[in-house]
Amino acid sequence: DAGVTQSPTHLIKTRGQQVTLRCSPKSGHDTVSWYQQALGQGPQFIFQYYEEEERQRGNFPDRFSGHQFPNYSSELNVNALLLGDSALYLCASSRQYEGTDQETQYFGPGTRLLVL
Amino acid sequence: DQQVKQNSPSLSVQEGRISILNCDYTNSMFDYFLWYKKYPAEGPTFLISISSIKDKNEDGRFTVFLNKSAKHLSLHIVPSQPGDSAVYFCAARSLYSDNYGQNFVFGPGTRLSVLP
Repeated sequence: DAGVTQSPTHLIKTRGQQVTLRCSPKSGHDTVSWYQQALGQGPQFIFQYYEEEERQRGNFPDRFSGHQFPNYSSELNVNALLLGDSALYLCASSRQYEGTDQETQYFGPGTRLLVL
Repeated sequence: DQQVKQNSPSLSVQEGRISILNCDYTNSMFDYFLWYKKYPAEGPTFLISISSIKDKNEDGRFTVFLNKSAKHLSLHIVPSQPGDSAVYFCAARSLYSDNYGQNFVFGPGTRLSVLP
């Protein structure tokens, strides 16, 4: 049973460029969340996708956008990159159970982005 | 404003002894809590969770305690093993948030070192 996978593992970009990160959820999961983890900090919630729609969004600018495909995989796009966007980007998948609080998010290994 | 706090950046424990990792939160709407462990170059791995209707949940060597009145939870690892050396994140979610999405808020993490 494959877990959450992310690609690429590492990426180097320059300021102003655009980047696309990809995530495949764990088998049986239908919800994908994206997090940014800066060095020495905990993951910060960017947004969550369910049924191909952005369902909730954290405190991130519109330069951060995403997409979810019919097979539940997801992309994170960041436009006009800034030096401060350098971080580990984590994808987490989960499965929606109606009427329960037992949702647990499972994380992928992350994509480390360096903006020069 | 950090809603989830882990005030000890690091903790060292002798192998075989108990490790106690602490987490405090400020948002009284949080009622589902999780602990994750993270090794370098890997994504966070889910360890254990607890709902606010409980005050204790146990899974093998790991026990999580929740004190709702104090807005405090702790993770106990007994006995500690060298393989437990990692960064531990506390995460919280509001089950009845205004938004339908599942937004987890993470603490900054505590680095646990288990010494042989």
